Amino acid sequence: NAGVTQTPKFRILKIGQSMTLQCTQDMNHNYMYWYRQDPGMGLKLIYYSVGAGITDKGEVPNGYNVSRSTTEDFPLRLELAAPSQTSVYFCASSYALIRVNQPQHFGDGTRLSIL
Amino acid sequence: GQQLNQSPQSMFIQEGEDVSMNCTSSSIFNTWLWYKQDPGEGPVLLIALYKAGELTSNGRLTAQFGITRKDSFLNISASIPSDVGIYFCAGQLETSYDKVIFGPGTSLSVIP
Repeated sequence: NAGVTQTPKFRILKIGQSMTLQCTQDMNHNYMYWYRQDPGMGLKLIYYSVGAGITDKGEVPNGYNVSRSTTEDFPLRLELAAPSQTSVYFCASSYALIRVNQPQHFGDGTRLSIL
Repeated sequence: GQQLNQSPQSMFIQEGEDVSMNCTSSSIFNTWLWYKQDPGEGPVLLIALYKAGELTSNGRLTAQFGITRKDSFLNISASIPSDVGIYFCAGQLETSYDKVIFGPGTSLSVIP
């Protein structure tokens, strides 16, 4: 009964390094999302996917890449880390239309600092 | 681009008071969602709205889907200390319902 699992929970990167934030869900949801949340701000949609093999840009996709080779996994890649990417990253999954009894499930977040 | 505006940005209220916050946009939404986020955690869905004019309650919370489909409000009655947190509105756009876009949030503090 894991839901949405994100790894790692914390990470510090140097400018220019690359890394992949992992996200996996075990609810057989077709829809998955990546958000970033800056301090005191709302969530900004980075990328989303409506099914395996399909991805699309959200509001703030620059500097990120995603892939969706399986229904379960939706990794987010930072190729050249920049200080502006310091944030908390949330992965989420859902059915097509979000309902109270079928909510958008969120992971616990990955806290990323770029120094 | 698509943006959601929330007001107020923050609120400080006495325990027992009622709270009202709203969310507006220049775009039309098919779905309005209200979430609560506690520190260090992901957002949790409180109420989901699907039709213009719809009024839905969840315990002490009541939310409405505006008839223009460009706004929504959330009311909390008889606030209690555990209501403290950040409340986000979110929505699925008419033109791109696959996306779920969030507002900037309303921070609620309840003074016992």
